[in-house]
Amino acid sequence: DADVTQTPRNRITKTGKRIMLECSQTKGHDRMYWYRQDPGLGLRLIYYSFDVKDINKGEISDGYSVSRQAQAKFSLSLESAIPNQTALYFCATSVGGQGANNEQFFGPGTRLTVL
Amino acid sequence: KNQVEQSPQSLIILEGKNCTLQCNYTVSPFSNLRWYKQDTGRGPVSLTIMTFSENTKSNGRYTATLDADTKQSSLHITASQLSDSASYICVVSGNDYKLSFGAGTTVTVRA
Repeated sequence: DADVTQTPRNRITKTGKRIMLECSQTKGHDRMYWYRQDPGLGLRLIYYSFDVKDINKGEISDGYSVSRQAQAKFSLSLESAIPNQTALYFCATSVGGQGANNEQFFGPGTRLTVL
Repeated sequence: KNQVEQSPQSLIILEGKNCTLQCNYTVSPFSNLRWYKQDTGRGPVSLTIMTFSENTKSNGRYTATLDADTKQSSLHITASQLSDSASYICVVSGNDYKLSFGAGTTVTVRA
């Protein structure tokens, strides 16, 4: 977990505010991902990036945007936060490829509460 | 739609006892299946990985099985310890990057 860090770890904000969650990794992986986790549901993919110039939408990208500033940094923004974006957010990285190479390594998570 | 269903949703066991968690999936094509352990306040960490041709894989007191024909997997925890209290997530890969996650089984081990 120490190889993938997320800031902040906890955040409480109000509806309509812009929020940025940051992710940094020292694993040297090209691929990075943002997920959200809600109680009773599996992790769902928001956005992913295979390299610095590559950004792709996941299954639930509406209301979110991302920026891949460098190989090691991938940030997630909520342009105008709403209460149903209250969730636990995880950043992950992977080498890429088939089999064992598609293991994703997760950060410790950011707990976001939108009031 | 690719789905991963886990059961039970939660369970409580006494320290030293065994337990088995179940995972059924409909992901196709299938590449591999992992079990992840997620401690409270932490990100998920991979415990085991199995490909189509493997039907059992162990990691210490954790043993995972896979039946690719029936699309079922199980995770068996032997001689449980308090540190086994966590959520266990079944994750199925259909291609090189996209993962389908189960909702997890929360295991509570009591002394």
